Amino acid sequence: GDSVTQMEGPVTLSEEAFLTINCTYTATGYPSLFWYVQYPGEGLQLLLKATKADDKGSNKGFEATYRKETTSFHLEKGSVQVSDSAVYFCALTIGSIQGAQKLVFGQGTRLTINP
Amino acid sequence: DAGVIQSPRHEVTEMGQEVTLRCKPISGHNSLFWYRQTMMRGLELLIYFNNNVPIDDSGMPEDRFSAKMPNASFSTLKIQPSEPRDSAVYFCASSPGTGSIAKNIQYFGAGTRLSVL
Repeated sequence: GDSVTQMEGPVTLSEEAFLTINCTYTATGYPSLFWYVQYPGEGLQLLLKATKADDKGSNKGFEATYRKETTSFHLEKGSVQVSDSAVYFCALTIGSIQGAQKLVFGQGTRLTINP
Repeated sequence: DAGVIQSPRHEVTEMGQEVTLRCKPISGHNSLFWYRQTMMRGLELLIYFNNNVPIDDSGMPEDRFSAKMPNASFSTLKIQPSEPRDSAVYFCASSPGTGSIAKNIQYFGAGTRLSVL
């Protein structure tokens, strides 16, 4: 079935370091891909998305490119800040006939940025 | 916009008691999702509704769990009887459900942290 695999956490970096969180997926058809972020004590919120191959999603300095050939959607940021400390989830849609499509989430990667 | 509203934020109960979690989706959204999050199992989709109709409840753990959506602005998740292994954070999310791109963006509530003693 459709699935998402993220790199194991936790990830700990120093402020201003370069960040990569790997995400690969298995899906039938052509899913849309998402990164969600969960700050401590809060629900998930959309960080960025891409709906077709070679699309690049970006937001708040984060970027991810939909790579169909490698079935990947890696999250990157050039210079992380302490405020980026959170849990990051990669996700894809599973199609349904009508209405919203349910998301399949990866296991989440906890990121801690030290000053 | 108030966002997705869940209540209560925290619930502590004893094993065997009935627990009801509540969710008010964003006005105008047609789809609603219930999730459970634990350290061991991560984020699990329990059930989702489109236009108040349950579409997929394959994630509901067992008959002790039930969910309803009597109208477009309210949903409940009920556990009866509750057990300690039900302790988790339960999230509700809503989605527009229409439109080619926006329909799949889910907006999450702050969650209900349930502890069953």
